[in-house]
Amino acid sequence: AQKITQTQPGMFVQEKEAVTLDCTYDTSDPSYGLFWYKQPSSGEMIFLIYQGSYDQQNATEGRYSLNFQKARKSANLVISASQLGDSAMYFCAMRGGRYGNKLVFGAGTILRVKS
Amino acid sequence: EAQVTQNPRYLITVTGKKLTVTCSQNMNHEYMSWYRQDPGLGLRQIYYSMNVEVTDKGDVPEGYKVSRKEKRNFPLILESPSPNQTSLYFCASSGRGGNEQYFGPGTRLTVT
Repeated sequence: AQKITQTQPGMFVQEKEAVTLDCTYDTSDPSYGLFWYKQPSSGEMIFLIYQGSYDQQNATEGRYSLNFQKARKSANLVISASQLGDSAMYFCAMRGGRYGNKLVFGAGTILRVKS
Repeated sequence: EAQVTQNPRYLITVTGKKLTVTCSQNMNHEYMSWYRQDPGLGLRQIYYSMNVEVTDKGDVPEGYKVSRKEKRNFPLILESPSPNQTSLYFCASSGRGGNEQYFGPGTRLTVT
């Protein structure tokens, strides 16, 4: 069975500083994908970044980067130059299931950016 | 614009009164699924569908039904809602491989 663990229930970061949100995963499948989603207080799920298990380089999308350490089974999200608008819940998720389309989510990390 | 739509966005109902939450996608995706989000648990899959007339249980299917009569639509049915089904519900769709997952805006359901 696949599992995602996010050990940080809540995090604070000062505006303009970088922050790392932790995510570890467990799977026996050689092919998988890892996602990060942002959920602001309005509730929608916003896709941030994706990393495939066979991707050679760490994924980056603007201020978001994914620190993928396959041997350690970790997929931490790094947000650079934090902004007040980054305050939200962040979910790490893994693609899997019988057809490879199911997402298994972690419990989430609430990030608060301080001015 | 590629999108997944859900209706209603907010719903307050009473125990036992049947309800349906609609979901529609315009990307011709084969795979659609429903998730519920509860505090401290993240999102959990309720049901999924691989294509028209093909559905299967996810991790928390009890108390829910689904149907997939058309490729674009995947409604979630609560035949007899109970207070423990109070939650935030998301519909999602993806193409083959699942590298791109699209979520609807969510439906906040309260059962009293």
